[in-house]
Amino acid sequence: IAGITQAPTSQILAAGRRMTLRCTQDMRHNAMYWYRQDLGLGLRLIHYSNTAGTTGKGEVPDGYSVSRANTDDFPLTLASAVPSQTSVYFCASSPGTSINEQFFGPGTRLTVL
Amino acid sequence: GESVGLHLPTLSVQEGDNSIINCAYSNSASDYFIWYKQESGKGPQFIIDIRSNMDKRQGQRVTVLLNKTVKHLSLQIAATQPGDSAVYFCAEKKSNFGNEKLTFGTGTRLTIIP
Repeated sequence: IAGITQAPTSQILAAGRRMTLRCTQDMRHNAMYWYRQDLGLGLRLIHYSNTAGTTGKGEVPDGYSVSRANTDDFPLTLASAVPSQTSVYFCASSPGTSINEQFFGPGTRLTVL
Repeated sequence: GESVGLHLPTLSVQEGDNSIINCAYSNSASDYFIWYKQESGKGPQFIIDIRSNMDKRQGQRVTVLLNKTVKHLSLQIAATQPGDSAVYFCAEKKSNFGNEKLTFGTGTRLTIIP
């Protein structure tokens, strides 16, 4: 693994189903982030984690939860997916807690029907 | 320039020419700015950054200019290549007592014409 990996690459999901998007980094970065990217809008922060064991809410956290059990992994869970959560989701990490330079994963394209 | 809407601003440039992509930011208290490149189907990739106490910074084939008076940021790409075709967007960071907020623009689609 080099950098950040996300899984799955894409997913079609029925509304009401639970889904976990996976994110793993091998750079030993302290901070990790989840964003969603929608047409016509800039990236919007969902949740973040400054270090293992801590998490925080971003700009659009409702309907999503995260955990940070270790440095490398930062899964994003949709407890009960809704069509408005159809989006492309990007995980990112940065070396320190300052968000000066973020490294992004390849993204997960999620469609909720 | 960048704007919120369903359609991205587009810019087409002949290969080998220079390109300038513009970004208007919103917060005069923002202290740090970043340009990202996003190729189709990929995640954003850091290109260059600039702090608010600077007005110009150069990288390899790229230059970022910051005009704080009019809250304007530009990315200049010299001698464009086909691989420069992508969506480019800026981000501004505001720090407030240790809390940082990064706000992203919607992007400009750059197409390099061979």
